[in-house]
Amino acid sequence: EVQLLESGGGLVQPGGSLRLSCAASGFTFSSYAMSWVRQAPGKGLECVSVISGSGGSGGSTYYADSVKGRFTISRDNSKNTLYLQMNSLRVEDTAVYFCASQRTIHSSSPCDYWGQGTLVTVSS
Amino acid sequence: DIQMTQSPSSLSASIGDRVTITCRASQGISKSLAWYQQRPGKVPKLLIYAASTLQSGVPSRFSGSGSGTDFTLTISSLQPEDVATYYCQKYNSAPLTFGGGTKVEIK
Repeated sequence: EVQLLESGGGLVQPGGSLRLSCAASGFTFSSYAMSWVRQAPGKGLECVSVISGSGGSGGSTYYADSVKGRFTISRDNSKNTLYLQMNSLRVEDTAVYFCASQRTIHSSSPCDYWGQGTLVTVSS
Repeated sequence: DIQMTQSPSSLSASIGDRVTITCRASQGISKSLAWYQQRPGKVPKLLIYAASTLQSGVPSRFSGSGSGTDFTLTISSLQPEDVATYYCQKYNSAPLTFGGGTKVEIK
C-alpha cells in the first residue's frame, strides 16, 4: 500500500523558513516523479514544485513562479523521502501542503497518490 | 503559460442526474489532462488521466473525453458520495496547472 506522510508544517513569521518532509513507502520511490501541491484556505490547488524520478531527466525540477527562488525541492532516494525547503516565507504561502507521487518517472505525469497534507501558517 | 478554465464553478443537481463539467486549455495539450475529486475535508483523488482513462477503483459512472483544448468530465448518474470539488489539471509540460475547480452539490 502506497503511503505518503508529510511533516514539518507549523507557524512561522514572515521571512522565516521551514523544511517539509514526505516519507514514502509501498512503492519504488526512486522510480517516480514527486510533487508538492498546496491549497490555501478555501482555495483551489496549486502545483508548487515537481522533481522527476532517477533517470527521468536526471532529477530535473520545476517551480511555480510564485515560489521560484525561495523554495527548493529535493529527494533522498536512500531514505525514500521528499523535501521542500521554504525560505523567505510570505503570508500568501499559508496553505496545506500535500506531497504527491506521480504516475511515471517523468514530471509530466499526473499525481496518483497523495499524502494527508501538512499545514503551513505564515503570520506575525 | 497555458491557462486551464473550468465551467461551471459550481452546480447543483439531483440524485441520478447526469452531470457534465468542462475544462478548457488556452493552448492545445493533446490528451495530457487529468481529473481529480476532492471531497469536503479530504485529500484530492485521481479519477481520470490521459483525458479518458479511468484510474483503478474509480466507479464507471465517471467518464472523461476530449483532446486538444476542450475536455469534459461526466458523471452519468450522480450519487450522494459524489458531492465534492472537481479539478482538471494539464500535465503535458511544466507548469502542471490546475483548473479553478467545480463544486458539485446535491439539489
